[in-house]
Amino acid sequence: EAQVTQNPRYLITVTGKKLTVTCSQNMNHEYMSWYRQDPGLGLRQIYYSMNVEVTDKGDVPEGYKVSRKEKRNFPLILESPSPNQTSLYFCASSRRLAGSETQYFGPGTRLLVL
Amino acid sequence: AQSVSQHNHHVILSEAASLELGCNYSYGGTVNLFWYVQYPGQHLQLLLKYFSGDPLVKGIKGFEAEFIKSKFSFNLRKPSVQWSDTAEYFCAVRTRNNDMRFGAGTRLTVKP
Repeated sequence: EAQVTQNPRYLITVTGKKLTVTCSQNMNHEYMSWYRQDPGLGLRQIYYSMNVEVTDKGDVPEGYKVSRKEKRNFPLILESPSPNQTSLYFCASSRRLAGSETQYFGPGTRLLVL
Repeated sequence: AQSVSQHNHHVILSEAASLELGCNYSYGGTVNLFWYVQYPGQHLQLLLKYFSGDPLVKGIKGFEAEFIKSKFSFNLRKPSVQWSDTAEYFCAVRTRNNDMRFGAGTRLTVKP
């Protein structure tokens, strides 16, 4: 079954304690992205990756890091989380062909930073 | 800065009513346009997309959208909504450099 998985699904942590949210896809997609969703703001892109070892900043990259060492994995790292990073996070992957695109979103990770 | 505006925050309709959700964007270059649906407690699903060609695109679940370049708009429509269409709908724009911007979302409530 084609899917994007995220772990953990729920996380409560404290300010400054480094954490990693994993994202994995089983479709061999080239593109992967991270978004955060906040009420009234929709989704905002944090980082995206066009392929292995190719990443770029999205709209709100401050306070986040990513890596793409393997095609299937795209972890999101918060080196020193702060309360304003409390949010719902989604990972997504996609394949783009001429005039067409297939996209999948993960189930989301709800993060609370105290 | 590029932005995406969804005009309606919350729309309430009765079953069988027609739906149109507005979406306007401010980017002047070539864009890809998307509509997503998010059912309560679930992740986003792609409803439809526009890359080029026929400005009227059809998606899943009976939805369609029309790209009007002169108005920078990409409105979502459905002739007859069902209770199961109750969800939040997001418009999104992607530019050539892969910058992806979403609207704030429109919550649709369909009364049975």
